[in-house]
Amino acid sequence: EAEVAQSPRYKITEKSQAVAFWCDPISGHATLYWYRQILGQGPELLVQFQDESVVDDSQLPKDRFSAERLKGVDSTLKIQPAELGDSAMYLCASSLGSMLENEQFFGPGTRLTVL
Amino acid sequence: GQQLNQSPQSMFIQEGEDVSMNCTSSSIFNTWLWYKQEPGEGPVLLIALYKAGELTSNGRLTAQFGITRKDSFLNISASIPSDVGIYFCAGRRGSNYQLIWGAGTKLIIKP
Repeated sequence: EAEVAQSPRYKITEKSQAVAFWCDPISGHATLYWYRQILGQGPELLVQFQDESVVDDSQLPKDRFSAERLKGVDSTLKIQPAELGDSAMYLCASSLGSMLENEQFFGPGTRLTVL
Repeated sequence: GQQLNQSPQSMFIQEGEDVSMNCTSSSIFNTWLWYKQEPGEGPVLLIALYKAGELTSNGRLTAQFGITRKDSFLNISASIPSDVGIYFCAGRRGSNYQLIWGAGTKLIIKP
């Protein structure tokens, strides 16, 4: 069964360091999403790609966060410098498209702990 | 960000009991989704609903799209230990395809 792949699964870093997360969506899925999930809450959308283009990054803290999907397939989310408040689960999801009934399928996530 | 009102926040039940949870909003939605998330994993899509009044089942799970389009319900019959996890509702409004999420219902099964 096709799955969204993410790595690493866990990351521990010190504040002010740089971290990067990788996501490989389900083959053929044009739309890719990065979410942040704080314990006890639902996921919060950070950025949405359609192929290699950013569709929505209105919730992305652009002073420290960046995301790219250069060839329209896999994607990288970077945080530099990391802050204590960035500790969370970072989830990647993909869908065939952004139209109705093209639902999102999630990867296992990367658990980030900033010390 | 904006969230749906999901209740209850948590449930402690005995194995074999039926479970019911719901999601409400003051706004009209055109899609309701139910996901399950286990510790350390990403959410898994359980049921998707696209029409008011729609009732859809997935094994022991049944979900309904409320007639008012402002709510949705998820029922689990005859709960088993592997049902443990956090259940999230998510919805879409109007022409905006982004998902709005509830805060989750944590299901715990007493031994």
